[in-house]
Amino acid sequence: EAGVAQSPRYKIIEKRQSVAFWCNPISGHATLYWYQQILGQGPKLLIQFQNNGVVDDSQLPKDRFSAERLKGVDSTLKIQPAKLEDSAVYLCASSLYRTAVNSPLHFGNGTRLTVT
Amino acid sequence: DAKTTQPNSMESNEEEPVHLPCNHSTISGTDYIHWYRQLPSQGPEYVIHGLTSNVNNRMASLAIAEDRKSSTLILHRATLRDAAVYYCILRANTDKLIFGTGTRLQVFP
Repeated sequence: EAGVAQSPRYKIIEKRQSVAFWCNPISGHATLYWYQQILGQGPKLLIQFQNNGVVDDSQLPKDRFSAERLKGVDSTLKIQPAKLEDSAVYLCASSLYRTAVNSPLHFGNGTRLTVT
Repeated sequence: DAKTTQPNSMESNEEEPVHLPCNHSTISGTDYIHWYRQLPSQGPEYVIHGLTSNVNNRMASLAIAEDRKSSTLILHRATLRDAAVYYCILRANTDKLIFGTGTRLQVFP
């Protein structure tokens, strides 16, 4: 099966600019996640969707970050305006179900964002 | 969220077995033990998970202590491709997957 697709692979912007990341999950996967991974740290969950509804966005900095999952398939994550501390890899993941048993997360290879 | 403790780094030689430990003394009865790994410049990859019994799959084995306060991921014959950061994560059924800093495994030829 095709994996989780993310684009772009790399992005360099200046602070205060805006940026958007795109994710196409594995076909049929109802749950979609966006994680932020700062260099040297483990991934941190930003937002979780179940179909096109938000399940958890408690760690999403809502003053500058937004995400949507139209029609319950593709998703975009936007940052506006970007800050230096947003430099990180943004990972998208999907899973068949929300439950843990027999439903592991499948991750894309991420978008590396550098804010200068 | 229940916490796990892993060594920051470990080393192994190629074709030798590797035992990656994880302590989780505050584990609850509904927490599954998950292992993911992250190869350089890639997203994390699911390895294995279990609840109480030891588990085997094509990638690795998971040995879970009888009191469930610790577990060990076993790579039976390490290859250079196994060099990665390995994350041990506790997750109840519908909880989110929370990553720590993991163990960086180096494999030498």
